[in-house]
Formats: sequence, C-alpha cells, structure tokens
Amino acid sequence: GENVEQHPSTLSVQEGDSAVIKCTYSDSASNYFPWYKQELGKRPQLIIDIRSNVGEKKDQRIAVTLNKTAKHFSLHITETQPEDSAVYFCAASIWGKLQFGAGTQVVVTP
Amino acid sequence: GAGVSQSPSNKVTEKGKDVELRCDPISGHTALYWYRQSLGQGLEFLIYFQGNSAPDKSGLPSDRFSAERTGGSVSTLTIQRTQQEDSAVYLCASSLVWGGIDEQYFGPGTRLTVT
Repeated sequence: GENVEQHPSTLSVQEGDSAVIKCTYSDSASNYFPWYKQELGKRPQLIIDIRSNVGEKKDQRIAVTLNKTAKHFSLHITETQPEDSAVYFCAASIWGKLQFGAGTQVVVTP
Repeated sequence: GAGVSQSPSNKVTEKGKDVELRCDPISGHTALYWYRQSLGQGLEFLIYFQGNSAPDKSGLPSDRFSAERTGGSVSTLTIQRTQQEDSAVYLCASSLVWGGIDEQYFGPGTRLTVT
C-alpha cells in the first residue's frame, strides 16, 4: 500500500521567515495530494491541495509543489505569522483513501 | 451550511465493552471516511464508503471494528470488546464525490478512552 513520509517532525521559524515541509510517497498511482492544518484540539482543515496533473499551486502565502517523477511534494509557507503555528499533515490519495504523513509541528516565534 | 458532525464528542468506556460512534456527513456528500488519530500521532485510515459501492475496509485494524452507512447518509463505527489500545480520537470525513480528488471535510471527532 501507499506509504507517506514527512519531514521534519518539528520546525521552529522566526516570524516573517519561510517554512518548508517535505513529503515523499511510494505509490505512483496516487493522484491527489492535500495538506491539512490541525490546531490543538481541533479538526484537520484543508489549506491547499494539488492534483497529479499539476506541478505547482499557490494560494497567497502558501504554495505546494509536486514532483511526480521523484514522488515527492512540498509545502511552502512564506512570511510566517504566529497564527501559522500548528501541526501540518501531508497526504496522498489513491481513489479516495488518504494516507497521511506523521505530521510536522510548526512553531512560529515572534 | 452544516458541516460534518459526530457524536458523542467524548466517550469513556470500560475494557471489554462495545461502543458505537456516529457520523453525520455533509448533506449530499457521497463519500464518507473514518480515520483514527492516536495521541500526538498522524491520522490512520480505517474505512471508506463510496456511493453505493462496497466499502473499502482495508484499514480496519481487527475484526472487532465494523462500520455501516445507512441510506447513504449517517454512518456508525462499532468497536466490540474494546481494548486500551483503541483509545484515540476517531475522525469522520465526507466529500462531495468519491474517486479521491475531492476535498475531505472532517468532523470534530470522538475522543474514546478505554479504561
């Protein structure tokens, strides 16, 4: 089955700096790659997603890149703010079944 | 509109007892998913209902776990003879279409504690 690895497990950044989280997946049949943000005690919320026929997608301060050949995808957050502090999960989907990475705890310090 | 809802929000049960967890998906969503999140861990896929097709049960950890979805809407996840390792937050999600390229909206979860 699909296996998703996510790095780093924790990431501390100064406010205003950029944050990058990287994920790799194993199954080339995966065709959808969402990123979820989860604040403490709350449900995961989608922040951005990318489909396998697209290489890059951007939404304001957030961007995702996908390299199908290498089977890896990355989340980029620019101009980080304290409210970006949360756990971020990447996932890869094969026909709907999401396989999640282990998560990255992002801490943005003022 | 209303999002995905789950009940109960918290459930404490004794080891060996059966529990039922309920999920109400967003109206009109054809796909429904169950995940499990242990403390400080990622989300683990359990089961996936896709329209009228047979569910994908490949993530259920043992035969003590089962789920059903009645009338294409509400779903119930049942855990029989609960064990302490079943303690986790159980999250339900739904999406408008099945096939894997549509946003999954998560419910608030049910926190299950097995004593």
